[in-house]
Amino acid sequence: DTEVTQTPKHLVMGMTNKKSLKCEQHMGHRAMYWYKQKAKKPPELMFVYSYEKLSINESVPSRFSPECPNSSLLNLHLHALQPEDSALYLCASSPGTANLGYGYTFGSGTRLTVV
Amino acid sequence: GENVEQHPSTLSVQEGDSAVIKCTYSDSASNYFPWYKQELGKRPQLIIDIRSNVGEKKDQRIAVTLNKTAKHFSLHITETQPEDSAVYFCAASTDYKLSFGAGTTVTVRA
Repeated sequence: DTEVTQTPKHLVMGMTNKKSLKCEQHMGHRAMYWYKQKAKKPPELMFVYSYEKLSINESVPSRFSPECPNSSLLNLHLHALQPEDSALYLCASSPGTANLGYGYTFGSGTRLTVV
Repeated sequence: GENVEQHPSTLSVQEGDSAVIKCTYSDSASNYFPWYKQELGKRPQLIIDIRSNVGEKKDQRIAVTLNKTAKHFSLHITETQPEDSAVYFCAASTDYKLSFGAGTTVTVRA
């Protein structure tokens, strides 16, 4: 299995809702990432997990809460989001956080709409 | 941190012509330079990449060149086809982070 699977593919949520995005990989990768991407803009790094520990938080607001329950799974918990948080949320994984040129893989993304 | 600049922001070419997108980077420690193609509503798809110990790489109609001294790298697409229409992103990598350029919207006119 050489894929990163993200669920759900689409999500519409209200500003008072709590929801979660899920990302799964079975490639044995030990680094996983969350990105946020607005239309026709480059992906913006949000979080980096290395060996199931949060290693990088790119100054992301606390209404986004990442979790890495095990080496194959990465969640992003969402609470009290704003309409401007509507975007494509991409997960990625790589064998490690060094030498990203080997096996860096993006998931297909979750299209999030906040109403 | 790394800063990647990408030009042009939009590019319209006639089918069959060539397209060239250029990127510059700031961090001389960057050692990996991928190019991604992203169609509307889909994930970024790696189309070609180059490492800092290589000057040029080609894969069918796509080629990438790297000039480490000048800190710039370019994507060349020959014999463009309508299915090449997409947004293209360059990126440069040091350690854990991929730093992306702002993107180029390529339109191939039939």
